[in-house]
Amino acid sequence: NAGVMQNPRHLVRRRGQEARLRCSPMKGHSHVYWYRQLPEEGLKFMVYLQKENIIDESGMPKERFSAEFPKEGPSILRIQQVVRGDSAAYFCASSPSGARSGELFFGEGSRLTVL
Amino acid sequence: GENVEQHPSTLSVQEGDSAVIKCTYSDSASNYFPWYKQELGKRPQLIIDIRSNVGEKKDQRIAVTLNKTAKHFSLHITETQPEDSAVYFCAATGGGADGLTFGKGTHLIIQP
Repeated sequence: NAGVMQNPRHLVRRRGQEARLRCSPMKGHSHVYWYRQLPEEGLKFMVYLQKENIIDESGMPKERFSAEFPKEGPSILRIQQVVRGDSAAYFCASSPSGARSGELFFGEGSRLTVL
Repeated sequence: GENVEQHPSTLSVQEGDSAVIKCTYSDSASNYFPWYKQELGKRPQLIIDIRSNVGEKKDQRIAVTLNKTAKHFSLHITETQPEDSAVYFCAATGGGADGLTFGKGTHLIIQP
């Protein structure tokens, strides 16, 4: 059973470009969470999705950021018109039944650098 | 929403000594408190967790205690070893959003 797969692992974008980060949850997991981690800081919750539904996006900036988890395929975190402040590691985590039920399984992260 | 404070931000201990990391949370409805370990450049991984109906839980050299009245919980690592060096994050789930709220992390350094 493969773990949570994220790609790309590293992404470099220039200011104003778009960044797309993908996350395939563990097999059998229908709950996906995205977190952002800045250097020397903790994991900041962005968005929680189940298949085809956004459950909680309270941690995600209203502008330029969007997330989806379609019926088929990976979850995607999309950042439009990137700025230098978007440079961070973005971690995806999945769970079979929600964070309160037990362990979140994290991917290796996607490290975005905005030039 | 939930707010989790974690202390200290850096902790240096001699190999073989004990390490204690403390966290407080704000949402009295929080009921699940996991601890994650993150090695440099790696993914966070769960090392131990505790639920609000339990006061203490132990797994070999690692233990977690929870004080619901004071809204704080702690991680205890005994007989520390070099491989314990990492960043440790506490987290809590609250009564609102179903996502985990993490503390800012503690960088644990084990001195040989």
